[in-house]
Amino acid sequence: QLQLQESGPGLVKPSETLSLTCTVSGDSISSTSHYWGWIRHPPGKGLEWIGSIYYSGSTYYNPSLKSRVTISVDTSKNQFSLKLNSVTAADTAVYYCARLWSKYFQHWGQGTLVTVSS
Amino acid sequence: QSALTQPPSASGSPGQSVTISCTGTSSDVGGYNYVSWYQQHPGKAPKLIIYDVSKRPSGVPDRFSGSKSGNTASLTVSGLQAEDEAHYYCSSYAGSSVVFGGGTKLTVL
Repeated sequence: QLQLQESGPGLVKPSETLSLTCTVSGDSISSTSHYWGWIRHPPGKGLEWIGSIYYSGSTYYNPSLKSRVTISVDTSKNQFSLKLNSVTAADTAVYYCARLWSKYFQHWGQGTLVTVSS
Repeated sequence: QSALTQPPSASGSPGQSVTISCTGTSSDVGGYNYVSWYQQHPGKAPKLIIYDVSKRPSGVPDRFSGSKSGNTASLTVSGLQAEDEAHYYCSSYAGSSVVFGGGTKLTVL
């Protein structure tokens, strides 16, 4: 059974870098059938796609976040990661990792709340 | 890219039908047949309920249906049930990127 689990600090200081990891179980991140992605949900707002990655390392990023985002994959650990630098309070959100099927987020992790505050 | 536009709220009584709209542009909703809808209950991760504009994943009741006309997509929930009360988000492929709507809170009266 596919499971995705986000992990990382729940509190990040302004101007610092937010780092999260998604650990995948029940499927190989090296699968040629799927992309993997990050989505966030700021409090009181809608969902926002952050970016997606293929096992080969090919990435697609939200143009509005592209200058601050890096998504990477570690096939040996069956994980993929998110780094968002120069964070502000506007980056406070629940962050989800997900497996894509075609253009769609088919399987989601439970989400992790990251608060940006000093 | 801008978020897709959804009404912030919708409501209906049990057994009734409700339609939620999702308006984009020719660069997203109008340009591709890759529109999807997600249902999110409080404290839970979103769940894919419609893809390719009108297709339902296995296990999603046929009370949920989707359609598209021009730059506007729609989700219809027929025969409303109490468990349908949730937030609903539309999403569209936008050429190497993905855009979501702001979400609609569906209340079952």
